[in-house]
Amino acid sequence: ILNVEQSPQSLHVQEGDSTNFTCSFPSSNFYALHWYRWETAKSPEALFVMTLNGDEKKKGRISATLNTKEGYSYLYIKGSQPEDSATYLCASIDNYGQNFVFGPGTRLSVLP
Amino acid sequence: KAGVTQTPRYLIKTRGQQVTLSCSPISGHRSVSWYQQTPGQGLQFLFEYFSETQRNKGNFPGRFSGRQFSNSRSEMNVSTLELGDSALYLCASSLLMRGTDTQYFGPGTRLTVL
Repeated sequence: ILNVEQSPQSLHVQEGDSTNFTCSFPSSNFYALHWYRWETAKSPEALFVMTLNGDEKKKGRISATLNTKEGYSYLYIKGSQPEDSATYLCASIDNYGQNFVFGPGTRLSVLP
Repeated sequence: KAGVTQTPRYLIKTRGQQVTLSCSPISGHRSVSWYQQTPGQGLQFLFEYFSETQRNKGNFPGRFSGRQFSNSRSEMNVSTLELGDSALYLCASSLLMRGTDTQYFGPGTRLTVL
């Protein structure tokens, strides 16, 4: 069974701080990695889908990197804003899409 | 383009009953996936349908079933409800199968089993 871990579990930062979280996943049979942002009372929102080792993706102030050989992905937020407060989830997929497992998430609170 | 819709949004049932949840994907999307979110287990994959066929299935008992219609709308059924089935049920649609394609989530159905 695929085991996906995320750290830290929660994070409190001040507005303007930059921050990053980690998603760890098994590197064998890797197929793809998804990042989502889930704000309270809303639906999860897709941020990135990453497949290739060394992939780097960017969306505004948020970026992500992928290392499939060692089984980790970093999500970076530059200059955090209160509206970035949310739970950030990663999901790893292996076996050509058969196993799709979410991590427990990192809960980010940005204080004004 | 309209987003993913789910009905009903809230549902209260008693143990032993059955329930059917509905999901309408974004127009043109052919894949619909279902997820269960509970405080203890987090977000877990139930199953994925693509072109009316179940393509992938998570580790849930046979009481959980689903189907997809020719217009890509999907239903999920849970029979013989148990207290532990109380959860938020999310569906997500994607243009192609969800492995490498962006998924768009609906607002969810909150099921409470008494």
